[in-house]
Amino acid sequence: SQTIHQWPATLVQPVGSPLSLECTVEGTSNPNLYWYRQAAGRGLQLLFYSVGIGQISSEVPQNLSASRPQDRQFILSSKKLLLSDSGFYLCAWSIGGGTSDTQYFGPGTRLTVL
Amino acid sequence: SQQGEEDPQALSIQEGENATMNCSYKTSINNLQWYRQNSGRGLVHLILIRSNEREKHSGRLRVTLDTSKKSSSLLITASRAADTASYFCATDAMEYGNKLVFGAGTILRVKS
Repeated sequence: SQTIHQWPATLVQPVGSPLSLECTVEGTSNPNLYWYRQAAGRGLQLLFYSVGIGQISSEVPQNLSASRPQDRQFILSSKKLLLSDSGFYLCAWSIGGGTSDTQYFGPGTRLTVL
Repeated sequence: SQQGEEDPQALSIQEGENATMNCSYKTSINNLQWYRQNSGRGLVHLILIRSNEREKHSGRLRVTLDTSKKSSSLLITASRAADTASYFCATDAMEYGNKLVFGAGTILRVKS
């Protein structure tokens, strides 16, 4: 069966510090991978998605970046965090030809920027 | 309304009652999905209904889709305290690059 891992689960970082969140998927090959951000009490905002190694599509201009160094690894990074980067970050995967197929989510990372 | 907007924003019911949540959207869609999120957790896929389908069932869940009204409803029958969660609809529309667009969700509280 497939599983998706995210770490860390929670993170408190000062403004201006770097960020690295990691997501890995097990039990499937060549998945589509997604990073979402969820503000408190709100829906999900798609940040990045990837249909293959090294292929990253950015949805929202921001100071975040994403990389996919391996087939089942997706990393979200920032060189300098802003207060507005606080939120709940969710990684998801899907299999199939489209980016609108059923998505399977990880447990999330709660990021607080102080 | 925005693409994928749930109504009501919050719903509180007694255990055993039925819960109905609605989702409205703006553009033609290929499919519509419903997800559940327990507090502080990731989302869990519940059901997908395609634009050529009108109704789907999964256990205690019943989803309807009315493409003429651009709306969908999620019915949870005989609710349980464990159904307490936020429920989101997500639409797939060509206008949005065929990527899922999530609404803001309905917070459901089932009191025991």
